[in-house]
Amino acid sequence: EAGVTQFPSHSVIEKGQTVTLRCDPISGHDNLYWYRRVMGKEIKFLLHFVKESKQDESGMPNNRFLAERTGGTYSTLKVQPAELEDSGVYFCASSGTYTGELFFGEGSRLTVL
Amino acid sequence: QKEVEQDPGPLSVPEGAIVSLNCTYSNSAFQYFMWYRQYSRKGPELLMYTYSSGNKEDGRFTAQVDKSSKYISLFIRDSQPSDSATYLCAMSWGSGGGADGLTFGKGTHLIIQP
Repeated sequence: EAGVTQFPSHSVIEKGQTVTLRCDPISGHDNLYWYRRVMGKEIKFLLHFVKESKQDESGMPNNRFLAERTGGTYSTLKVQPAELEDSGVYFCASSGTYTGELFFGEGSRLTVL
Repeated sequence: QKEVEQDPGPLSVPEGAIVSLNCTYSNSAFQYFMWYRQYSRKGPELLMYTYSSGNKEDGRFTAQVDKSSKYISLFIRDSQPSDSATYLCAMSWGSGGGADGLTFGKGTHLIIQP
């Protein structure tokens, strides 16, 4: 069974540019989460989808971040325009309904210069 | 005060030693407690999942939760070089990662010396 896959694994962009990160959850998992780890800090929750609906987006830093999950399958996280402080590793995780176990992807490393 | 405190290490021990990792937290509303293991350049992988207080054992790993002290521990027996990784504690109000997001500690970098 394929795990959670994320693309790209590493992206280097200039300040002010746009980047879109993609996450493919484990097939059949309704819950999809985005987390971020900024260097030297804890992994922080960004938002939670249940199927295509945003259940909780309280962790999104500001309106430069836009997450979508069309059709309840894969999700994208767009940062526009990117700032230096957006650099970090963005993790996606998924879980089946009520299982309580999160399966994480390997992360997308974002470097904003 | 951070919600979850975890010593980042590094913690270096010889192979075969018993390893003790721990976290303290401030929010008494946390009900679910987890330990994740993360190898370099990989995503976190769930090791142990505990509800409320008590102990849980799985092979060489034992997780303990003391809600009265707001303190959780992970013990690794007969440690192996393959256990070298970063260990992250995480906790939540609802079913681990259910309706609410996980709150993580910074992670402890563990090194098992052959």
